[in-house]
Amino acid sequence: DGGITQSPKYLFRKEGQNVTLSCEQNLNHDAMYWYRQDPGQGLRLIYYSQIVNDFQKGDIAEGYSVSREKKESFPLTVTSAQKNPTAFYLCASSTTGDSPLHFGNGTRLTVT
Amino acid sequence: AQSVTQLGSHVSVSEGALVLLRCNYSSSVPPYLFWYVQYPNQGLQLLLKYTTGATLVKGINGFEAEFKKSETSFHLTKPSAHMSDAAEYFCAVSEALTGGGNKLTFGTGTQLKVEL
Repeated sequence: DGGITQSPKYLFRKEGQNVTLSCEQNLNHDAMYWYRQDPGQGLRLIYYSQIVNDFQKGDIAEGYSVSREKKESFPLTVTSAQKNPTAFYLCASSTTGDSPLHFGNGTRLTVT
Repeated sequence: AQSVTQLGSHVSVSEGALVLLRCNYSSSVPPYLFWYVQYPNQGLQLLLKYTTGATLVKGINGFEAEFKKSETSFHLTKPSAHMSDAAEYFCAVSEALTGGGNKLTFGTGTQLKVEL
């Protein structure tokens, strides 16, 4: 079955370390997205990519970086510059402008 | 800029009762609107969407929503709540991106509790 795979489901890191979250899709979607979810704040867009080797900042890109070397993959790096990295991170993908986003099951990152 | 307001961060209903989750949006262009459901520690699952055409949209699990342009609303309803409906629900408005894809702006979510 087609879908989006995020790994790992839970991730623990020490403050000051960079960490990379994986997102792979086999839906053949061109567009991919990273959202951050915090309790009571809904989802906020970090980065998105509409095509391989191109990506755009979302609303809260500071302290994050991404790459899009393959259509299927859109990894997110949470850098040490991100002041409050502990959160639930969701990856999504979509096709045309009116199509819904398909979401992965998320990665819960805890930084102590 | 687009925005979404979900009134009531927590809603509690009895099993079998009507479910009504409120969503109001702000958009400078005709909106695409979505409702998603999220179960604990999982991703979001699409319930239904409005793009164009019929303003009453039917979705999965017996949910439906009505687009009311004059009220800038897209409230989610279900005639009879079931225990399995307990989850968090998100309303979102979409902005099409030049070059493909769309940017969703989400509300802050409504946690639905279903009681016996």
